[in-house]
Amino acid sequence: NAGVTQTPKFQVLKTGQSMTLQCAQDMNHEYMSWYRQDPGMGLRLIHYSVGAGITDQGEVPNGYNVSRSTTEDFPLRLLSAAPSQTSVYFCASSPQGLDEQFFGPGTRLTVL
Amino acid sequence: SQQGEEDPQALSIQEGENATMNCSYKTSINNLQWYRQNSGRGLVHLILIRSNEREKHSGRLRVTLDTSKKSSSLLITASRAADTASYFCLDSNYQLIWGAGTKLIIKP
Repeated sequence: NAGVTQTPKFQVLKTGQSMTLQCAQDMNHEYMSWYRQDPGMGLRLIHYSVGAGITDQGEVPNGYNVSRSTTEDFPLRLLSAAPSQTSVYFCASSPQGLDEQFFGPGTRLTVL
Repeated sequence: SQQGEEDPQALSIQEGENATMNCSYKTSINNLQWYRQNSGRGLVHLILIRSNEREKHSGRLRVTLDTSKKSSSLLITASRAADTASYFCLDSNYQLIWGAGTKLIIKP
């Protein structure tokens, strides 16, 4: 199993550009989530999904959209990138939301 | 807002010594989990303790949970250079709230 994969690993955007961060898991997990981690801080939940077709907002959802059309994929879309969105983004999955979380390697995003 | 809070924020010890870090939380939990993060990489699950458990062991790790004090501790025995990392607690109730982490440095 590949586990949780994320692409790209690094990305530089200009203010106002849009892009999609990809996340996929092959463990048939129902729960998937997106976090951002700023320097020296813990993770903050952006959006999460408890199953295909179901998504909900986390702690810091503004400026981000998600969809969950399949169990495997959970892309995160930045609508109009801002410097405040410079961060490392992690995708995670788990069999159920309160269980052990499996993390992807992260995407380091810089917005100029 | 961050509900789980790790203490201390940073800890530096000699290789072979034991390292203890603490986590406090504010509301009731279903379980509490500890994770390790090496150099900005993805987090790796270490151990999960359920709300009805008081102590759990896994290899060199020992976790305790005191629900009356809303706190947990993680003990790493016989530390190694590879234990150098940031350690986070996650208290999972309705939503998953992460602490800011304890940065552990093991000196050779």
